[in-house]
Amino acid sequence: QSVLTQPPSVSGAPGQRVTISCTGSSSNIGAGYDVHWYQQLPGTAPKLLIYGNSNRPSGVPDRFSGSKSGTSASLAITGLQAEDEADYYCQSYDSSLSGSRVVFGGGTKLTVL
Amino acid sequence: QVQLQESGPGLVKPSETLSLTCTVSGGSISSYYWSWIRQPPGKGLEWIGYIYYSGSTNYNPSLKSRVTISVDTSKNQFSLKLSSVTAADTAVYYCARVVLWFGELLMSWFDPWGQGTLVTVSS
Repeated sequence: QSVLTQPPSVSGAPGQRVTISCTGSSSNIGAGYDVHWYQQLPGTAPKLLIYGNSNRPSGVPDRFSGSKSGTSASLAITGLQAEDEADYYCQSYDSSLSGSRVVFGGGTKLTVL
Repeated sequence: QVQLQESGPGLVKPSETLSLTCTVSGGSISSYYWSWIRQPPGKGLEWIGYIYYSGSTNYNPSLKSRVTISVDTSKNQFSLKLSSVTAADTAVYYCARVVLWFGELLMSWFDPWGQGTLVTVSS
């Protein structure tokens, strides 16, 4: 059971827009910790996609955007392309009575129909 | 640009200690935090711990009793030891550089990542 909750799967046709949610709580996203997103293509290591809630590293297309509100964050992908088919993970920080640690969402598999 | 490469045994027996090394190339290990992250087959990502180039560490509370991360600045390497392994420790192990946001470790992310190495725990 991941501390950050993501839908297991989402899908969309080429050209469409999809969103992936990342739901946390008052001990992580709601506490003000930033959310970062990674894309993991099949058989490869995760790659940074969004940092600091909504910032794109150099080389990441502007079709990818991130946002954060309250205890949740979202990743939006517009103009869906076949090469976007991958697993997507959100990441933040959690601080509770049981200790402090980096936390990831369970991952969302994006299928391009 | 900085590149990371994991190395170590791909098979470890139950109850033994898993040992991996991450070699950093294209840049110095100094002045950065570095991390280990793992991913069981078909599952999500789990953070293991950080190390600063000076040697200070921070571990996932759920693994803290079994984890040791160390650094060798002369070799531009950092290492992971996980003791008393079981089949549940079977995973792809990644090393990654930690990027701080406004100097805050709590706001940091991981970039770049190594390609990962699969470690199987089995007798």
